[in-house]
Amino acid sequence: GAGVSQSPSNKVTEKGKDVELRCDPISGHTALYWYRQSLGQGLEFLIYFQGNSAPDKSGLPSDRFSAERTGGSVSTLTIQRTQQEDSAVYLCASSGGQDYTEAFFGQGTRLTVV
Amino acid sequence: GDSVTQMEGPVTLSEEAFLTINCTYTATGYPSLFWYVQYPGEGLQLLLKATKADDKGSNKGFEATYRKETTSFHLEKGSVQVSDSAVYFCALSDPGYIPTFGRGTSLIVHP
Repeated sequence: GAGVSQSPSNKVTEKGKDVELRCDPISGHTALYWYRQSLGQGLEFLIYFQGNSAPDKSGLPSDRFSAERTGGSVSTLTIQRTQQEDSAVYLCASSGGQDYTEAFFGQGTRLTVV
Repeated sequence: GDSVTQMEGPVTLSEEAFLTINCTYTATGYPSLFWYVQYPGEGLQLLLKATKADDKGSNKGFEATYRKETTSFHLEKGSVQVSDSAVYFCALSDPGYIPTFGRGTSLIVHP
């Protein structure tokens, strides 16, 4: 696609439920990142995928968080047993092409846990 | 590890005022430097970038110069507009590494 696409744009869920957030990166981009942005906070790195290499999961805050990337393209971030502190905007970005350093961001998914 | 430090906000200015948002970095390599902007309810979008020392990035009246000697990449604009109200993020990135972002600086411009 023309840009990074994330869905849903908004998600309200009850505490304890599982949620899945989807990211469709720019076609051909081999690198994909997930970040979390809490209210008034900066960007918190969560996980990084690069091609077929094992993902860098060093930013995942707990074992309730997991992510996968199928076929080197679409990625899904899953949060199990959601807690109120998981409420945030989850941003996905991808990079690749001629300039691997520039990250292109999606619009984000605003997650609210009630 | 790499890190980015930018000035705390919010920065509140009147329209047509001069803007400076300070950004300094720590890096082991020779990263590219970026400023991203986030308008309310949107994701981050690239504002400008510089790939090597002494390069100046510019876009929409904003400028920033890659200063290796002071490890800085300060954002400036000569005359801000209300439409510039947003959150600005300084970032650095090396190929194959995870981009590192500052905490963001909120800019509020009053008419």
